[in-house]
Amino acid sequence: KNQVEQSPQSLIILEGKNCTLQCNYTVSPFSNLRWYKQDTGRGPVSLTIMTFSENTKSNGRYTATLDADTKQSSLHITASQLSDSASYICVVSGGSNDYKLSFGAGTTVTVRA
Amino acid sequence: EAQVTQNPRYLITVTGKKLTVTCSQNMNHEYMSWYRQDPGLGLRQIYYSMNVEVTDKGDVPEGYKVSRKEKRNFPLILESPSPNQTSLYFCASSLMGTIYNEQFFGPGTRLTVL
Repeated sequence: KNQVEQSPQSLIILEGKNCTLQCNYTVSPFSNLRWYKQDTGRGPVSLTIMTFSENTKSNGRYTATLDADTKQSSLHITASQLSDSASYICVVSGGSNDYKLSFGAGTTVTVRA
Repeated sequence: EAQVTQNPRYLITVTGKKLTVTCSQNMNHEYMSWYRQDPGLGLRQIYYSMNVEVTDKGDVPEGYKVSRKEKRNFPLILESPSPNQTSLYFCASSLMGTIYNEQFFGPGTRLTVL
């Protein structure tokens, strides 16, 4: 069973609108959580990184939140742009060692004009 | 430019024909890893290496080999490829000794085994 579950699997939004992606994890012990953006045909690129003590982190129009008690994270995209069309992957570090990464299956976001 | 490079980017081969996908990083990272990405499954770790001559299995190592003779290179070897190894492969590297240990990914290699 995957230790990182993301929802929704995909979504379509209009340019300029906001959206929120969800990530639930069961990885324990927890070290940190990252959100990656993966453009089609390219490798993932880190957007935000949060450790146990951080509950929010922003990177431009991207804001990630973390609730370590409920083991949930969200990624909020504000005022979406066409270039935000990509897959967003939640990655949790921890478990057997800090370098063990557990990947969610990703949420595919399509922004339409 | 700091980067992870992979070659080839695209490869079509036939069952049983040995192949190697190269991976190289220029950031002096100790940690390197190989992943495969399949639709609906996300990224799954094949093998990883925490330093030169130190490698270990990830979640899906069957059918793959790796070596780490130099710090910068981490080739992935498929001795006898099979169609179920058709996938998108990513190499990644990171600096050890930090709680953030962000992994930097290469551009990917799309492999098709007929």
